[in-house]
Amino acid sequence: DAGVTQSPTHLIKTRGQQVTLRCSPKSGHDTVSWYQQALGQGPQFIFQYYEEEERQRGNFPDRFSGHQFPNYSSELNVNALLLGDSALYLCASSLGTGMTGELFFGEGSRLTVL
Amino acid sequence: TQLLEQSPQFLSIQEGENLTVYCNSSSVFSSLQWYRQEPGEGPVLLVTVVTGGEVKKLKRLTFQFGDARKDSSLHITAAQPGDTGLYLCAAIGGTSYGKLTFGQGTILTVHP
Repeated sequence: DAGVTQSPTHLIKTRGQQVTLRCSPKSGHDTVSWYQQALGQGPQFIFQYYEEEERQRGNFPDRFSGHQFPNYSSELNVNALLLGDSALYLCASSLGTGMTGELFFGEGSRLTVL
Repeated sequence: TQLLEQSPQFLSIQEGENLTVYCNSSSVFSSLQWYRQEPGEGPVLLVTVVTGGEVKKLKRLTFQFGDARKDSSLHITAAQPGDTGLYLCAAIGGTSYGKLTFGQGTILTVHP
């Protein structure tokens, strides 16, 4: 049973470029949440997708956008990259959007912006 | 926005020692989770506490939820090098447990 898988694992971009990160949820899960984790910090919630729609959003600018596909996989897009966007981007999957349950995290995509 | 403060930020101890990590907020939590994250991996859930005063044990780890549900602690007995990692507390926010507010984490290093 595959867990949450993310790609790519590492990537390097320059300021102003755009990046797309991908996530496949754990088998049986239908909800995907994205987090940004700066070095030495806890993860910060970016947004959550369920039924192909953005359901909740954290305090991130519109440069951060996402998508969920019918197979529940998801993409995170970041436009006009800034140096401060360098971070580990974590995808987490879950079943439904209720108040109980467990999040399963992927290993993350390490983004470096030069 | 719920702000979680963890302390200490760094902890370096010898194998066999005991330690406690704290997670505090000025707000009341509906529930709180503790995660452990190793380098190059995502966080892994250790426990969820829901009821004020609740105590949960996971082998050598003891988790406590404050009576007022504003604070929590993680106590490790007889720490081992395998306990090394980043320990994160997280509160459920919004209307979904998918939206977690994390503390800044405690980096624990256990030396053999």
